[in-house]
Amino acid sequence: DSGVTQTPKHLITATGQRVTLRCSPRSGDLSVYWYQQSLDQGLQFLIQYYNGEERAKGNILERFSAQQFPDLHSELNLSSLELGDSALYFCASSVAPGTEGTIYFGEGSWLTVV
Amino acid sequence: SQQGEEDPQALSIQEGENATMNCSYKTSINNLQWYRQNSGRGLVHLILIRSNEREKHSGRLRVTLDTSKKSSSLLITASRAADTASYFCATGRRDDKIIFGKGTRLHILP
Repeated sequence: DSGVTQTPKHLITATGQRVTLRCSPRSGDLSVYWYQQSLDQGLQFLIQYYNGEERAKGNILERFSAQQFPDLHSELNLSSLELGDSALYFCASSVAPGTEGTIYFGEGSWLTVV
Repeated sequence: SQQGEEDPQALSIQEGENATMNCSYKTSINNLQWYRQNSGRGLVHLILIRSNEREKHSGRLRVTLDTSKKSSSLLITASRAADTASYFCATGRRDDKIIFGKGTRLHILP
């Protein structure tokens, strides 16, 4: 158990809908990262937050947004969902900002868009 | 776009043999990490090597880093059935992004 908690574990929704994925980082970790894993694209970096502020941005679509709250949990919002958004979405956390330390992954949220 | 590219994409070896996976990347990095992922599960951190280090060991794992060639290798010695998994390299870049490759699928045959 990495200490990173993601909910929900599985989610099935229809095209055009909006979903929210939630992440609680490890106790004491200030950085949160979001990744999308699909068969054809591998593990894609979406976005990173550190202590409530956006730190780095990757290949995150405009239909997607994220935030980190004062209690350090984070949410990834996916809207106007398309079939191609079906993937495993990972949250990870670390103590340090940037790339300095080990990042710990949650078990992921499986999203299926039908 | 992906930063790290693992090679080979898939590898099958007999239990007890050594497994070597390679990772190449394109831009300057602060460090490079290797992770393992069992099917459909979260990634587990294996080892981190900093840009000023050349080799690092952790149990049966040996990682090398050649920044002049922008490449790294992961060696797993005396492989076991439990080592069957996908292995990813992740580059910690100067722009604060940690970028993963597409991984190597390792299968240990009994």
